[in-house]
Amino acid sequence: SAVISQKPSRDICQRGTSLTIQCQVDSQVTMMFWYRQQPGQSLTLIATANQGSEATYESGFVIDKFPISRPNLTFSTLTVSNMSPEDSSIYLCSVDGGAGGLDEQYFGPGTRLTVT
Amino acid sequence: QKEVEQNSGPLSVPEGAIASLNCTYSDRVSQSFFWYRQYSGKSPELIMSIYSNGDKEDGRFTAQLNKASQYVSLLIRDSQPSDSATYLCAVAPKDSSYKLIFGSGTRLLVRP
Repeated sequence: SAVISQKPSRDICQRGTSLTIQCQVDSQVTMMFWYRQQPGQSLTLIATANQGSEATYESGFVIDKFPISRPNLTFSTLTVSNMSPEDSSIYLCSVDGGAGGLDEQYFGPGTRLTVT
Repeated sequence: QKEVEQNSGPLSVPEGAIASLNCTYSDRVSQSFFWYRQYSGKSPELIMSIYSNGDKEDGRFTAQLNKASQYVSLLIRDSQPSDSATYLCAVAPKDSSYKLIFGSGTRLLVRP
């Protein structure tokens, strides 16, 4: 499976600011996904990012709050805008399994965000 | 009703025993099913995928799928303390554009 990295691994931010999280893959992938995992909770899909098209957002998530870029087949960014303490969470990117299984997903190490 | 349901646990088993983790889902036309393991402070790791009714074995892990009952399970044989983690069930509904819906996870504790 692909090797996935995320930057930063963790950050502490003040409310009202924005943070951009980067996700880098060591091979080309068709689909990249962004998830949120709040403390003690399971994973919730924020959006799906395909290269060359606008990201598709899930119910409850909007582009103004979580703008996403997907400039090429190995990289994506998620920005958490105008942060509030409720945005404190782990943010995870995942990628599809490629020819071996497009519907399998493999996760990056995550970004732990704390908003004060 | 939640789309993917799991007992939160903790499920406590002695070392060497079989751990049985269960998951039910509400969308009858779901096509693909996955088990992820998540250690505390780490990201989820895919350990099993299953697409057809029946059993699928990989080492000490066996996934079981029963689409008629909308039920998928994971058996871990010869459980080890290193298996202690949260196990997440994920389901891909048909025509979902590869979206995964995750259950809340079952915490497994293997006692030495």
